[in-house]
Amino acid sequence: KQEVTQIPAALSVPEGENLVLNCSFTDSAIYNLQWFRQDPGKGLTSLLLIQSSQREQTSGRLNASLDKSSGRSTLYIAASQPGDSATYLCAVRKTGANNLFFGTGTRLTVIP
Amino acid sequence: GAVVSQHPSWVICKSGTSVKIECRSLDFQATTMFWYRQFPKQSLMLMATSNEGSKATYEQGVEKDKFLINHASLTLSTLTVTSAHPEDSSFYICSGEKPGLVREWETQYFGPGTRLLVL
Repeated sequence: KQEVTQIPAALSVPEGENLVLNCSFTDSAIYNLQWFRQDPGKGLTSLLLIQSSQREQTSGRLNASLDKSSGRSTLYIAASQPGDSATYLCAVRKTGANNLFFGTGTRLTVIP
Repeated sequence: GAVVSQHPSWVICKSGTSVKIECRSLDFQATTMFWYRQFPKQSLMLMATSNEGSKATYEQGVEKDKFLINHASLTLSTLTVTSAHPEDSSFYICSGEKPGLVREWETQYFGPGTRLLVL
């Protein structure tokens, strides 16, 4: 069974800091890993998707890495802004499965 | 990208009534759609996988007679919460899977969610 864990559960940083969110998964047989952002009471916004054959993906101030063999992914946010405050979820798609397995999320607060 | 809509965005109902939630893929055909449930400050939990034209596959612990799923077309799936009770109050999110050339490139696109409050 695939289990996805995110550490830390919550994080507060001052504006402008660089930060790293962590995601780990127990079964390395995955198609891909995806990072999402969720604002309170809202749906999911996909940030980055990394295929199993890839090591990292970048979009603007965001960089996600994937180490499939060790079952880890990180989301790096550069020069954080108050607008980055949200819950960040990682999810993996297991090989042979359609559905996503979601992590528990990291609630990020960027303090102006 | 691809867009998935949900309707309604929120609903309040009395205990014992049934509520239908619609999930539509607006600019792609979704052979497979997924329904998730999210309790406050918790992550998303898959309820069921819905394939167009066939019966939904429910996750363990999800009552199929209580959460009726219909995927009648490639762009529409509905979730009906029958005889809703306060414990069914939650945030329900659907997603549609956009087909890819290879399976690992298929991506899910999520709807904005429906907040259900049962009084």
